[in-house]
Amino acid sequence: GENVEQHPSTLSVQEGDSAVIKCTYSDSASNYFPWYKQELGKGPQLIIDIRSNVGEKKDQRIAVTLNKTAKHFSLHITETQPEDSAVYFCAANSGGGADGLTFGKGTHLIIQP
Amino acid sequence: NAGVTQTPKFQVLKTGQSMTLQCAQDMNHEYMSWYRQDPGMGLRLIHYSVGAGITDQGEVPNGYNVSRSTTEDFPLRLLSAAPSQTSVYFCASSYPSGQQFFGPGTRLTVL
Repeated sequence: GENVEQHPSTLSVQEGDSAVIKCTYSDSASNYFPWYKQELGKGPQLIIDIRSNVGEKKDQRIAVTLNKTAKHFSLHITETQPEDSAVYFCAANSGGGADGLTFGKGTHLIIQP
Repeated sequence: NAGVTQTPKFQVLKTGQSMTLQCAQDMNHEYMSWYRQDPGMGLRLIHYSVGAGITDQGEVPNGYNVSRSTTEDFPLRLLSAAPSQTSVYFCASSYPSGQQFFGPGTRLTVL
């Protein structure tokens, strides 16, 4: 089955700086790579996703890049703000949605004022 | 739309008790899934369903049963609760190959 590794487990950045979280996956058949943000006491919420036919996707301050050859994808957050503080999860799905997602173990992002 | 709803929000059980965690969605999604979240472990898939009457096992299915009699509902049953099942449980739904929407979670403690 799929295996997703996520690094770092904790990331502390100054407000206004950029944050990068990296994930690798094992199943070359994986074709969908979402990123979720989870705030304390809440369920994960999708912030951005990318499919295997695209190398990069941006949405305002958030971007995701995908390197299929290296089986590697990353989340980039620019101009970080206090409300970006949360736990972020990457995930991969080799079944096109049918068999759920395999998640990384999460990154606790701390924005220092 | 209410999205994905889960009940109860909190539950305390004694070892050996059984219970059902409820999940419902009003988005007419075909796919529904159950995950558990433990500290430092991310979310792990328990069971999933691709449509009414169809279910399958995920990564950690032991000790849990599911059924899908309608498109809207996907209950998760704990047959005989164990302390190892203390966790936060999330239900999710999606269209095929689409974004998964998560419910708010059920925090379960087994004593």
